[in-house]
Amino acid sequence: GAGVSQTPSNKVTEKGKYVELRCDPISGHTALYWYRQSLGQGPEFLIYFQGTGAADDSGLPNDRFFAVRPEGSVSTLKIQRTERGDSAVYLCASSLSGNSYNEQFFGPGTRLTVL
Amino acid sequence: AQSVTQLDSHVSVSEGTPVLLRCNYSSSYSPSLFWYVQHPNKGLQLLLKYTSAATLVKGINGFEAEFKKSETSFHLTKPSAHMSDAAEYFCVVTRGMGYSTLTFGKGTMLLVSP
Repeated sequence: GAGVSQTPSNKVTEKGKYVELRCDPISGHTALYWYRQSLGQGPEFLIYFQGTGAADDSGLPNDRFFAVRPEGSVSTLKIQRTERGDSAVYLCASSLSGNSYNEQFFGPGTRLTVL
Repeated sequence: AQSVTQLDSHVSVSEGTPVLLRCNYSSSYSPSLFWYVQHPNKGLQLLLKYTSAATLVKGINGFEAEFKKSETSFHLTKPSAHMSDAAEYFCVVTRGMGYSTLTFGKGTMLLVSP
């Protein structure tokens, strides 16, 4: 079956612009996670959804970052007033539930470049 | 907070020789630990996971890892490297008890030469 998909695969924007990154999880997965991977680093947790609600948003770096999942499936990560330091690969993962025993399946990521 | 430390940023082996990727963890409770692999231009893939059952965990593609509480280690091994094993490997721990969100190590790049 289809895995986790993310669009766009690449996004180049200018400093100060607004961007939206989309994640389509595996069908039936109630848990959805966003991570950010900077060059040479491991992924860092941003936000976790269980269904439609954000169960844990403690990883969001500041209030320029926001994410939604209005119908409990597709999620959008929104970044306002982008900064050069936001350049990274943004990864989305989904799992059957929010249980730590469930495998998280990762998408290929969106590479964001802020000029 | 739970954390993992990957002791080598790069490991180079020859095809057919053993692989050892080292990981130490820090946790105030018995953690869930994972190894993920990331091939170039591909998504992260789960290799194996430890969730307090058997301490020796077998994963895909011939990899295995042993949870050693006394050493706070969770090293990844494979008896014989294959060229297709060249990739970046991440040791991962859950952020805390009851959490499903993950904390990743910085990664170890495995290079395999013919």
